[in-house]
Amino acid sequence: QSVLTQPPSASGTPGQTVTISCSGSTSNIEYNFVFWYQQQLPGTAPKLLIYRNDQRPSGVPDRFSGSKSGTSASLAISGLRSEDEADYYCAAWDDNLNAVVFGGGTKLTVL
Amino acid sequence: EVQLVQSGAEVKKPGESLKISCEGSGYSFTNFWIGWVRQVPGKGLEWMGIVYPGDSDTRYSPSFQGQVTISADKSISTAYLQWRSLKASDTAIYYCARQTDDGGEYDSWGQGTLVTVSS
Repeated sequence: QSVLTQPPSASGTPGQTVTISCSGSTSNIEYNFVFWYQQQLPGTAPKLLIYRNDQRPSGVPDRFSGSKSGTSASLAISGLRSEDEADYYCAAWDDNLNAVVFGGGTKLTVL
Repeated sequence: EVQLVQSGAEVKKPGESLKISCEGSGYSFTNFWIGWVRQVPGKGLEWMGIVYPGDSDTRYSPSFQGQVTISADKSISTAYLQWRSLKASDTAIYYCARQTDDGGEYDSWGQGTLVTVSS
């Protein structure tokens, strides 16, 4: 059971907007930054997609956006493309555990 | 270019010891924390802990405290993850990653090391 809760799966058709949620608590999401990672193939290294709740590293398309409100965060992907098919993970520091906690991951399928 | 290069896949028996490595290049290795993340096949990411190569300060996830040892040798820009006695449940891919400013922010990752523990 992951400390951060994500839906196990999400799907959309090309061009659509998909949103992936990440639910946490006051010890993690509410008072700490949220990060999002994309893992395109199992066994390949994750890639930082969003940092500090809503910031994109250089090279990440602006189709990807992050937001946070209270104890929840979201990743939105607009203009969905086939290459967006991947696993997505949220992460945050947890003040009670003194550790980084990850969500269980959401497998995005582009139909 | 920031690069983290990990040691190759390992196949071990239960009870054996193991140390895997992660060599950093393209940046000041001593100035950034290095984290280790486990991924059991078919499962999600789990944070194990971090080491600061500048002074070898180390922090562990409660889930992994006492189960592994994280260390670094700044003279050769390399971080390590070590087990004294492997279990079958340690079978996983292990990633090292460079932590930037905030806990949870990993901007560069190693390619992963597959550790298989089987009798």
